[in-house]
Amino acid sequence: EAAVTQSPRSKVAVTGGKVTLSCHQTNNHDYMYWYRQDTGHGLRLIHYSYVADSTEKGDIPDGYKASRPSQENFSLILELASLSQTAVYFCASSEGAPAEVFFGKGTRLTVV
Amino acid sequence: DAKTTQPDSMESTEGETVHLPCSHATISGNEYIYWYRQVPLQGPEYVTHGLQQNTTNSMAFLAIASDRKSSTLILTHVSLRDAAVYHCILRVAKPGTGSKLSFGKGAKLTVSP
Repeated sequence: EAAVTQSPRSKVAVTGGKVTLSCHQTNNHDYMYWYRQDTGHGLRLIHYSYVADSTEKGDIPDGYKASRPSQENFSLILELASLSQTAVYFCASSEGAPAEVFFGKGTRLTVV
Repeated sequence: DAKTTQPDSMESTEGETVHLPCSHATISGNEYIYWYRQVPLQGPEYVTHGLQQNTTNSMAFLAIASDRKSSTLILTHVSLRDAAVYHCILRVAKPGTGSKLSFGKGAKLTVSP
């Protein structure tokens, strides 16, 4: 069974602080993604990566950085957290298109 | 990627067959039709996908119109576990690319006992 594990599962951060969300996959997939979901809305793509040590901007990259140090790990970094970044963040992985995308259980981030 | 249109919500009863429609009038020839579903507090779950031919798997049957401008996800013998928000998504599948998905609000399926 494909597995994408996110940590932490929930976090409260202070405005202006740095936040790092981590994602680990055991699927041996080349592609990894970070999405955010706001209450009552669909997921939006923040960053993605198709190979270690390389990341690409998604649809809403402003205020976020990403890091892919290995094939298995993909991090999302908020250098200066803001209230507007309160959301649920999902990590995912896949093979090349049109492959199924496997999602993690999400990280609920609250910025206060 | 072309846009899709789904109803905001649908209702059903356990044991029924449910037809979830999706309209994609501007779909291009190389766009795949994906269906994902999401329950509260969980990440989206893949249901099925297709290009031109109808497809079936353990979760659902995907019926694609001959002109590809619409599709219908058919769930048979639905149970309470099928209650979720169902997303119909179009995506070009280029070799060497990933599956960057664009999610809308989807269609909320409610299943009553």
